[in-house]
Formats: sequence, C-alpha cells, structure tokens
Amino acid sequence: EPEVTQTPSHQVTQMGQEVILRCVPISNHLYFYWYRQILGQKVEFLVSFYNNEISEKSEIFDDQFSVERPDGSNFTLKIRSTKLEDSAMYFCASSERGTPYQPQHFGDGTRLSIL
Amino acid sequence: AQSVTQPDIHITVSEGASLELRCNYSYGATPYLFWYVQSPGQGLQLLLKYFSGDTLVQGIKGFEAEFKRSQSSFNLRKPSVHWSDAAEYFCAVGAGGSYIPTFGRGTSLIVHP
Repeated sequence: EPEVTQTPSHQVTQMGQEVILRCVPISNHLYFYWYRQILGQKVEFLVSFYNNEISEKSEIFDDQFSVERPDGSNFTLKIRSTKLEDSAMYFCASSERGTPYQPQHFGDGTRLSIL
Repeated sequence: AQSVTQPDIHITVSEGASLELRCNYSYGATPYLFWYVQSPGQGLQLLLKYFSGDTLVQGIKGFEAEFKRSQSSFNLRKPSVHWSDAAEYFCAVGAGGSYIPTFGRGTSLIVHP
C-alpha cells in the first residue's frame, strides 16, 4: 500500500536556526497537509496545500512557517528562527481529494527537538 | 465550529477483554467522523469512518464504531483486545465546508497480558 514518507525521523536544531521538514506524499494525491502534535497534546492542523498554493491555514501557521512543493514529489515545511515551543512531532498527510469525507493518509512524523 | 471530546485519557484493559473508547462531538448537522490509531513512533492510521447510512461502521483490525446522533457520540469498540492494540486512539470530526478534521486529545490504550 502506498505510504506517505517523512524525513528525517528526528531533527535536533538549535533555537533560532531554520529547519526544513520533508515529506513525499502518495503519488496520485493532490492535497497535502501539515499537522503538529506537541508532546501529550492533541494533533493540530497547520496548513493545507493544493495546486501549488495554500488552501487553508490555522492561526498557528504564522510568518515563521512556509510550505513548498519544490518538485513533483516533495512537500516541505520550513520553520524559520525556531523557538523552544516549536518542539513537537510534525506530521505530513495527503489525500486524493480535499473533501471532508476523504480520509487523509499520514506519514510517521518528524520529531523536532529545539535546544 | 466543530469540536471533539475524548473523555478518557487512559484506558487499561486485559488482553481478550472487550473495549469501548468514548468520543463525543459538537456540531449542528451530521458530521463526518473518523477514528485513527497511532502506534508508538508511527503516524496516524485510519481505522474507520462514518459519513452517512448505517450507523454501525466496521473498520480494520476488528474495530467498529457506532454513530448515535441523540448522544452526539461515535464510540469505538472491539470485542476482544489483543496486546498489539496498545496505542493512542484519536477521534476526529470533519464538518461543513472544511475538509480539515478536528482531532480529539486522544485516548491511550494500555493492554495487560
């Protein structure tokens, strides 16, 4: 079964540095998402992306964050000037269509640790 | 806006026992409901979903869930739990014009041998 793959599995970064989290969505999917899960808390939506632009974003997704699809397969989340509170598990997801009843397929996540 | 409540943070059951994980939602119309499972170190895997029709939904790994509109609930059940079911379980609701599901806080399932 096709999978969403994320790299790296664990990223350790100094506070203030920039970090790029990478995702390869399922190949025939058109909608891409990033979620965040701070340790012990619920999964929170960050942003959705379709047709090379942001479709929807949450209040968490401020100017510190950006997303990009640099080629036909990768989908990246960039976090500029990282803060301690950015430490979390970041999940990428994709879906074939962007409808409420279309389940999203999740990657295994990247654990981001800010020191 | 929709919301999801999973009232149990932890549930402990013995292997072979039955399981019910609670989920309550808040939304004015019929929502789209999902249960996801997250095994340690892994991403979220969809167990089952409800959109319309039969209120008893069958999923993977022997799980089922029942949509009860009168109680605004979508509880997840399994008749006999296996040790490999130990994981975090998330209920989620999608509603209205947004395709972004809202997740509950999750319930951690612990299985005793």
